[in-house]
Amino acid sequence: AQSVAQPEDQVNVAEGNPLTVKCTYSVSGNPYLFWYVQYPNRGLQFLLKYITGDNLVKGSYGFEAEFNKSQTSFHLKKPSALVSDSALYFCAVSPLGTYKYIFGTGTRLKVLA
Amino acid sequence: EAQVTQNPRYLITVTGKKLTVTCSQNMNHEYMSWYRQDPGLGLRQIYYSMNVEVTDKGDVPEGYKVSRKEKRNFPLILESPSPNQTSLYFCASSSTPSSPPQPQHFGDGTRLSIL
Repeated sequence: AQSVAQPEDQVNVAEGNPLTVKCTYSVSGNPYLFWYVQYPNRGLQFLLKYITGDNLVKGSYGFEAEFNKSQTSFHLKKPSALVSDSALYFCAVSPLGTYKYIFGTGTRLKVLA
Repeated sequence: EAQVTQNPRYLITVTGKKLTVTCSQNMNHEYMSWYRQDPGLGLRQIYYSMNVEVTDKGDVPEGYKVSRKEKRNFPLILESPSPNQTSLYFCASSSTPSSPPQPQHFGDGTRLSIL
Protein backbone atom coordinates (compact mmCIF):
# COMPACT_ATOMS: atom_id res chain seq x y z
CA ALA A 1 0.00 0.00 0.00
CA GLN A 2 1.17 3.48 -0.78
CA SER A 3 1.78 5.66 2.24
CA VAL A 4 3.43 8.74 3.66
CA ALA A 5 4.97 8.77 7.13
CA GLN A 6 5.64 11.75 9.33
CA PRO A 7 7.24 10.04 12.30
CA GLU A 8 7.06 12.96 14.72
CA ASP A 9 3.72 14.20 16.01
CA GLN A 10 5.40 17.32 17.36
CA VAL A 11 8.70 19.09 16.93
CA ASN A 12 9.88 21.76 19.37
CA VAL A 13 12.64 24.15 18.43
CA ALA A 14 13.97 27.38 19.88
CA GLU A 15 13.56 30.55 17.86
CA GLY A 16 16.61 31.17 15.72
CA ASN A 17 17.62 27.52 15.63
CA PRO A 18 17.41 25.38 12.50
CA LEU A 19 14.39 23.13 12.15
CA THR A 20 13.71 19.85 10.38
CA VAL A 21 10.35 18.16 9.90
CA LYS A 22 10.70 14.62 8.60
CA CYS A 23 8.77 12.86 5.86
CA THR A 24 9.29 9.47 4.25
CA TYR A 25 7.14 7.82 1.62
CA SER A 26 6.38 4.41 0.23
CA VAL A 27 5.12 4.86 -3.33
CA SER A 28 5.94 3.00 -6.51
CA GLY A 29 7.88 4.93 -9.11
CA ASN A 30 8.95 8.53 -8.76
CA PRO A 31 6.19 10.53 -7.08
CA TYR A 32 5.63 14.24 -6.95
CA LEU A 33 6.20 15.57 -3.44
CA PHE A 34 4.66 18.52 -1.60
CA TRP A 35 4.72 20.30 1.73
CA TYR A 36 1.74 22.24 3.04
CA VAL A 37 1.22 24.26 6.23
CA GLN A 38 -1.99 24.66 8.21
CA TYR A 39 -2.66 27.51 10.64
CA PRO A 40 -5.51 27.27 13.18
CA ASN A 41 -8.99 27.35 11.66
CA ARG A 42 -7.62 27.67 8.14
CA GLY A 43 -7.13 25.47 5.13
CA LEU A 44 -3.76 24.18 4.03
CA GLN A 45 -1.33 26.49 2.26
CA PHE A 46 1.24 25.33 -0.26
CA LEU A 47 4.90 25.67 0.76
CA LEU A 48 6.94 23.86 -1.88
CA LYS A 49 7.06 20.93 -4.25
CA TYR A 50 9.54 18.55 -5.82
CA ILE A 51 8.91 17.48 -9.38
CA THR A 52 12.32 16.65 -10.77
CA GLY A 53 15.84 18.05 -10.91
CA ASP A 54 17.79 19.54 -8.02
CA ASN A 55 17.32 17.59 -4.80
CA LEU A 56 17.14 20.79 -2.74
CA VAL A 57 13.90 22.67 -3.32
CA LYS A 58 13.29 26.20 -2.05
CA GLY A 59 9.82 27.39 -1.15
CA SER A 60 7.82 30.05 0.63
CA TYR A 61 8.74 31.80 3.90
CA GLY A 62 12.37 30.64 3.80
CA PHE A 63 11.53 26.93 3.87
CA GLU A 64 13.37 24.35 1.81
CA ALA A 65 13.17 20.59 1.44
CA GLU A 66 15.68 17.93 0.56
CA PHE A 67 14.66 15.02 -1.64
CA ASN A 68 16.57 11.80 -1.07
CA LYS A 69 15.61 9.08 -3.52
CA SER A 70 17.58 6.26 -1.88
CA GLN A 71 16.02 6.95 1.51
CA THR A 72 12.62 7.86 0.00
CA SER A 73 12.56 10.97 2.15
CA PHE A 74 11.55 14.58 1.67
CA HIS A 75 12.45 16.44 4.86
CA LEU A 76 11.37 20.05 5.37
CA LYS A 77 14.01 22.44 6.68
CA LYS A 78 14.55 26.04 7.65
CA PRO A 79 17.87 27.54 8.74
CA SER A 80 16.43 29.84 11.41
CA ALA A 81 13.00 29.23 12.94
CA LEU A 82 10.53 32.00 13.79
CA VAL A 83 7.78 31.89 16.40
CA SER A 84 5.35 32.58 13.55
CA ASP A 85 6.38 29.27 11.93
CA SER A 86 4.45 27.44 14.64
CA ALA A 87 1.76 25.48 12.78
CA LEU A 88 0.78 22.03 11.53
CA TYR A 89 2.84 20.76 8.60
CA PHE A 90 1.76 18.11 6.11
CA CYS A 91 3.82 16.16 3.62
CA ALA A 92 1.96 14.86 0.55
CA VAL A 93 2.76 12.73 -2.46
CA SER A 94 1.05 12.29 -5.79
CA PRO A 95 2.09 9.03 -7.46
CA LEU A 96 3.22 9.43 -11.04
CA GLY A 97 0.41 8.88 -13.53
CA THR A 98 -2.41 9.31 -11.01
CA TYR A 99 -4.55 12.22 -9.97
CA LYS A 100 -4.50 11.14 -6.34
CA TYR A 101 -2.85 12.64 -3.31
CA ILE A 102 -1.67 10.86 -0.19
CA PHE A 103 -1.03 12.98 2.88
CA GLY A 104 0.95 12.24 5.99
CA THR A 105 -0.57 12.51 9.45
CA GLY A 106 0.95 15.92 10.07
CA THR A 107 3.64 17.29 12.39
CA ARG A 108 2.94 20.11 14.79
CA LEU A 109 5.84 22.53 14.92
CA LYS A 110 6.27 24.67 18.02
CA VAL A 111 8.87 27.41 17.93
CA LEU A 112 9.67 28.66 21.40
CA ALA A 113 10.69 32.27 22.03
CA GLU B 1 -9.38 37.51 -4.70
CA ALA B 2 -8.57 33.94 -5.74
CA GLN B 3 -10.28 31.59 -3.35
CA VAL B 4 -12.02 28.30 -2.65
CA THR B 5 -15.26 28.83 -0.75
CA GLN B 6 -16.96 26.14 1.29
CA ASN B 7 -20.39 26.31 2.89
CA PRO B 8 -21.41 25.81 5.57
CA ARG B 9 -18.36 26.26 7.78
CA TYR B 10 -20.00 24.44 10.66
CA LEU B 11 -22.91 22.00 10.75
CA ILE B 12 -24.43 19.84 13.45
CA THR B 13 -26.98 17.36 12.18
CA VAL B 14 -28.47 13.96 12.90
CA THR B 15 -27.91 10.50 11.50
CA GLY B 16 -29.67 9.84 8.21
CA LYS B 17 -30.52 13.41 7.27
CA LYS B 18 -29.12 14.12 3.82
CA LEU B 19 -26.74 17.04 3.59
CA THR B 20 -24.66 18.82 0.98
CA VAL B 21 -21.47 20.78 1.49
CA THR B 22 -20.88 23.21 -1.33
CA CYS B 23 -17.50 24.14 -2.79
CA SER B 24 -16.86 26.85 -5.32
CA GLN B 25 -13.62 28.19 -6.81
CA ASN B 26 -13.12 31.38 -8.81
CA MET B 27 -9.78 30.50 -10.44
CA ASN B 28 -11.07 28.54 -13.46
CA HIS B 29 -9.30 25.46 -12.12
CA GLU B 30 -9.83 22.09 -13.79
CA TYR B 31 -8.94 19.88 -10.84
CA MET B 32 -10.99 19.78 -7.63
CA SER B 33 -10.89 17.44 -4.69
CA TRP B 34 -12.46 16.68 -1.31
CA TYR B 35 -10.56 15.59 1.81
CA ARG B 36 -11.43 14.76 5.36
CA GLN B 37 -9.08 15.53 8.24
CA ASP B 38 -9.18 13.40 11.37
CA PRO B 39 -6.81 13.47 14.37
CA GLY B 40 -3.99 11.00 13.95
CA LEU B 41 -4.99 10.22 10.38
CA GLY B 42 -4.07 13.42 8.57
CA LEU B 43 -5.92 14.26 5.38
CA ARG B 44 -7.52 11.52 3.34
CA GLN B 45 -8.82 12.03 -0.16
CA ILE B 46 -12.52 11.29 -0.65
CA TYR B 47 -13.18 12.12 -4.31
CA TYR B 48 -11.52 14.15 -7.00
CA SER B 49 -12.50 15.58 -10.36
CA MET B 50 -10.22 16.18 -13.34
CA ASN B 51 -12.79 18.34 -15.14
CA VAL B 52 -16.51 18.80 -15.71
CA GLU B 53 -18.36 15.47 -15.61
CA VAL B 54 -15.15 13.57 -14.76
CA THR B 55 -14.84 12.31 -11.20
CA ASP B 56 -13.11 9.42 -9.47
CA LYS B 57 -12.78 7.85 -6.04
CA GLY B 58 -10.06 8.69 -3.60
CA ASP B 59 -9.05 6.50 -0.69
CA VAL B 60 -12.20 6.91 1.45
CA PRO B 61 -15.22 7.36 -0.85
CA GLU B 62 -17.71 5.18 1.06
CA GLY B 63 -20.80 7.09 2.15
CA TYR B 64 -20.11 10.12 -0.06
CA LYS B 65 -21.21 11.31 -3.48
CA VAL B 66 -19.97 14.15 -5.66
CA SER B 67 -20.94 15.81 -8.90
CA ARG B 68 -19.18 18.22 -11.25
CA LYS B 69 -21.76 19.81 -13.49
CA GLU B 70 -19.96 23.15 -13.70
CA LYS B 71 -16.25 23.87 -13.64
CA ARG B 72 -16.41 26.11 -10.60
CA ASN B 73 -18.56 23.93 -8.31
CA PHE B 74 -17.88 20.56 -6.70
CA PRO B 75 -20.45 19.72 -4.01
CA LEU B 76 -19.99 16.88 -1.53
CA ILE B 77 -23.16 14.95 -0.73
CA LEU B 78 -23.80 12.74 2.26
CA GLU B 79 -26.99 10.84 1.41
CA SER B 80 -27.38 9.19 4.81
CA PRO B 81 -24.80 10.62 7.22
CA SER B 82 -23.53 8.51 10.09
CA PRO B 83 -21.53 9.46 13.21
CA ASN B 84 -18.29 8.09 11.71
CA GLN B 85 -18.50 10.86 9.12
CA THR B 86 -18.05 13.48 11.82
CA SER B 87 -14.91 15.22 10.64
CA LEU B 88 -13.30 18.36 9.26
CA TYR B 89 -13.73 18.52 5.49
CA PHE B 90 -11.64 20.44 2.99
CA CYS B 91 -12.24 21.23 -0.64
CA ALA B 92 -9.25 22.02 -2.84
CA SER B 93 -8.58 22.99 -6.43
CA SER B 94 -5.61 23.26 -8.77
CA SER B 95 -5.16 24.59 -12.26
CA THR B 96 -4.67 21.31 -14.06
CA PRO B 97 -4.69 17.60 -13.28
CA SER B 98 -1.90 17.00 -15.79
CA SER B 99 1.59 15.85 -14.93
CA PRO B 100 3.23 17.43 -13.15
CA PRO B 101 0.40 18.33 -10.77
CA GLN B 102 0.09 21.92 -9.65
CA PRO B 103 -0.22 23.05 -6.02
CA GLN B 104 -3.69 22.85 -4.56
CA HIS B 105 -5.60 25.80 -3.13
CA PHE B 106 -7.67 24.84 -0.10
CA GLY B 107 -10.87 26.19 1.35
CA ASP B 108 -11.08 27.04 5.05
CA GLY B 109 -12.87 23.82 5.93
CA THR B 110 -16.29 22.59 7.04
CA ARG B 111 -16.66 21.05 10.46
CA LEU B 112 -19.41 18.43 10.42
CA SER B 113 -20.84 16.83 13.55
CA ILE B 114 -23.29 13.99 13.03
CA LEU B 115 -25.17 12.90 16.13
